[in-house]
Amino acid sequence: SQTIHQWPATLVQPVGSPLSLECTVEGTSNPNLYWYRQAAGRGLQLLFYSVGIGQISSEVPQNLSASRPQDRQFILSSKKLLLSDSGFYLCAWRTGGGSTNEKLFFGSGTQLSVL
Amino acid sequence: AQKITQTQPGMFVQEKEAVTLDCTYDTSDPSYGLFWYKQPSSGEMIFLIYQGSYDQQNATEGRYSLNFQKARKSANLVISASQLGDSAMYFCAMREGLTSSGNTGKLIFGQGTTLQVKP
Repeated sequence: SQTIHQWPATLVQPVGSPLSLECTVEGTSNPNLYWYRQAAGRGLQLLFYSVGIGQISSEVPQNLSASRPQDRQFILSSKKLLLSDSGFYLCAWRTGGGSTNEKLFFGSGTQLSVL
Repeated sequence: AQKITQTQPGMFVQEKEAVTLDCTYDTSDPSYGLFWYKQPSSGEMIFLIYQGSYDQQNATEGRYSLNFQKARKSANLVISASQLGDSAMYFCAMREGLTSSGNTGKLIFGQGTTLQVKP
């Protein structure tokens, strides 16, 4: 069966520090991968998605970047965090090339607080 | 332009009663899918139900049903016989068809509705 791992669960970082959040998927190959951010009590905003190794699409201009160094690994990074980067970050996946009805499977999320 | 609109920031329902959570969407793509997810306080995202734009019948999954009105572009979630464990945030999401988003499979989410079930 497929599983998705996301870590760390919580992170407190000072403004200006770097960031690296990691997400890995097991039990599938060539998945589509996604990073979402959720502000407190708000909806999910799509940040990045990837349909293959090294292929990253950005949905919104921001202080963050994403990379996909391996088929089932998706990394969210920042060189210098801003206060506005605080939020709940969710990684998700679905079968690559799947049909319209295929749901996304989500990781357990990372609560990032930038102080 | 906002594609998914959930106009109810918060809702209350009495235990064992039914509740409807509203969702309207906007797309020019004839092929699309609509999803509902539940997010408890733990933060996990739990898939509830799916409705395809070409589906002839409204989707049902246990106590969840989707009131799909295509002409009105609405996809309201109906939860019957509410339970205390239904207290959570609920999100409506849309995926546009292959004609517009290719193989990306990305979902666009609404702002969510917080549901509280009263004992």
